[in-house]
Amino acid sequence: QQQVKQSPQSLIVQKGGISIINCAYENTAFDYFPWYQQFPGKGPALLIAIRPDVSEKKEGRFTISFNKSAKQFSLHIMDSQPGDSATYFCALIGDGNKLVFGAGTILRVKS
Amino acid sequence: DAGVIQSPRHEVTEMGQEVTLRCKPISGHNSLFWYRQTMMRGLELLIYFNNNVPIDDSGMPEDRFSAKMPNASFSTLKIQPSEPRDSAVYFCASSLTSGRAGNEQFFGPGTRLTVL
Repeated sequence: QQQVKQSPQSLIVQKGGISIINCAYENTAFDYFPWYQQFPGKGPALLIAIRPDVSEKKEGRFTISFNKSAKQFSLHIMDSQPGDSATYFCALIGDGNKLVFGAGTILRVKS
Repeated sequence: DAGVIQSPRHEVTEMGQEVTLRCKPISGHNSLFWYRQTMMRGLELLIYFNNNVPIDDSGMPEDRFSAKMPNASFSTLKIQPSEPRDSAVYFCASSLTSGRAGNEQFFGPGTRLTVL
């Protein structure tokens, strides 16, 4: 069962632009919303995460916005750089430590 | 720390053969996860262990798949017999579970399995 829907599937952004990736979820039992970044040939790595008691979290050029009532959260990459080109996954986690991943967004930043 | 170690990194086998994937979690981590990644299905959790005990294996696709964690520093995922549709990248991840959801999972580099 798909519990998180991620969009877009792929994204091309010019260097210096803003990359925006969105996720929507169905179940309200989740209490942790991480984003993972994956480079080709590597395993996913935690990029940034948010808990539902805050609406926004910023770490450097990366910001998560969270809308609990709409059951949506998004990743914004400011001043996107070619080195940001990777696949990004949103995820959900509830009881225990089980991650449920979105389908992924392939980001390409053109220089 | 060397991070999560997986072996082999690549495995090519023929249909019907037994395949064993290995994982060494980060020292001190008490949770271990096996994932499978394919283009069609994305990243799927297969099974996870807490303190060497299997907690949830609902993601294991069928009886051909089995996983063990004999001790805190080693886990295996076995496929017997293997089929071409098992071709995927298999990731192992570990984390330190403190009781509150959201402890970071650290992924290994993966094993790319090709079943001919």
